[in-house]
Amino acid sequence: GENVEQHPSTLSVQEGDSAVIKCTYSDSASNYFPWYKQELGKRPQLIIDIRSNVGEKKDQRIAVTLNKTAKHFSLHITETQPEDSAVYFCAASPGGANNLFFGTGTRLTVIP
Amino acid sequence: KAGVTQTPRYLIKTRGQQVTLSCSPISGHRSVSWYQQTPGQGLQFLFEYFSETQRNKGNFPGRFSGRQFSNSRSEMNVSTLELGDSALYLCASRDDRLGRTEAFFGQGTRLTVV
Repeated sequence: GENVEQHPSTLSVQEGDSAVIKCTYSDSASNYFPWYKQELGKRPQLIIDIRSNVGEKKDQRIAVTLNKTAKHFSLHITETQPEDSAVYFCAASPGGANNLFFGTGTRLTVIP
Repeated sequence: KAGVTQTPRYLIKTRGQQVTLSCSPISGHRSVSWYQQTPGQGLQFLFEYFSETQRNKGNFPGRFSGRQFSNSRSEMNVSTLELGDSALYLCASRDDRLGRTEAFFGQGTRLTVV
């Protein structure tokens, strides 16, 4: 089955700096790659997603890039703010979004 | 529109017991998936139901089972509970029409096995 690895497991940045989280996947059939943000005690919420026919997608301060050849994708957050502090999960799905295989999460701390 | 609702929010069970968790998806969503979240293993896919049929299954033992009703509500059952089953169980619903992909998660049921 699909195996998703995520790095780093923890990340601390100064407010206003950029944060980058990287994930790799193993199944070349995966074609959907969402990123979820989970604040403490809350449910995971989708922040951005990308399909395999697209190399990059942006939404304000958040961007995701996908390299299908290398089987890796990354989340980029620019101009970080304290409210960006949370655990971020990447995921890959070989069947659309029917079953998501998650990375182990990155705890991002933005220091004011 | 109401979000994904999971009940109960918290459960404490004894080893060997069985437990049933419930998930009500967003109205109109026919796909319901279940995930187990633990600090060590992260979020792991259990199974997905669509129109009352199990469509995908993760790598969990047969003690974990589920079902979906005609109104798309889903239940997950764990029999012969083990200490290692302590986790946050999340369900997610999705609108399968027109290629919509976003999975919406419920707040989860925190199961503690003692």
